[in-house]
Amino acid sequence: QKEVEQNSGPLSVPEGAIASLNCTYSDRVSQSFFWYRQYSGKSPELIMSIYSNGDKEDGRFTAQLNKASQYVSLLIRDSQPSDSATYLCAVRNTGGFKTIFGAGTRLFVKA
Amino acid sequence: NAGVTQTPKFQVLKTGQSMTLQCAQDMNHNSMYWYRQDPGMGLRLIYYSASEGTTDKGEVPNGYNVSRLNKREFSLRLESAAPSQTSVYFCAALTESDQPQHFGDGTRLSIL
Repeated sequence: QKEVEQNSGPLSVPEGAIASLNCTYSDRVSQSFFWYRQYSGKSPELIMSIYSNGDKEDGRFTAQLNKASQYVSLLIRDSQPSDSATYLCAVRNTGGFKTIFGAGTRLFVKA
Repeated sequence: NAGVTQTPKFQVLKTGQSMTLQCAQDMNHNSMYWYRQDPGMGLRLIYYSASEGTTDKGEVPNGYNVSRLNKREFSLRLESAAPSQTSVYFCAALTESDQPQHFGDGTRLSIL
C-alpha cells in the first residue's frame, strides 16, 4: 500500500462546476496535510494546508480533513479552465520533516 | 521560485557519468529535500535533511548520495548515472515541521 494515494484521473469537469479531489494516507499519526497545484513543466505551488479535522476555506478552494478515516480532500468551486493542472496531496509525519506526496490527480476544466 | 535555486536547469549525461545537482536556499530554512518526478509517479522523496549536519533516506535513495554542505546548500550526486535516473529533480526547503515546502524550478536530467 502506498503511503499517500490519489486517483490519477484525469478528472474532467465543465467550467463553473465543483471539482472534488481526494487523497487517502496510511500513517495514522500524520499531522500536516498540503495540497499543491502543478502546471505542466512547472514546480508545485501550494494551494492549501490543513492540520485539524474539518473544513478550511480559502477563496474558491476548500480543504477537508478527516483523520479518523485518514482522508483529505480538496474542493474547487466555480472551476475555471486555468484550474486545469495536476493536484498533488502531501502528508507529513508527526513532529518530523519527512513529506510524502501522492501521485497526483490531473484535472481538466472544459470551457 | 524565489528562495530556492537549482542548478543546472537541464542536463544530458551518458550512462556511467557522474553529476552533482546543486540546490541553495536563501530563506534560512532548516530542512531541505530532494525529490524526483516521473510521469504518473508524482513526487518521490530521495533524501532529506531535517537540519544542517543530518541527512535521511526517503522512498527512493538507491543510486544517489547527498551532502548538506551548510544551512543554505543541499546537493544531490549521481555517482554512475543510469537511464532509469532520467527524471525531473526538485529541491525543496522548509522552516518548521508544520509549514509547507518551497520548491525550486527543477532540473531536467536525461541519461542516454
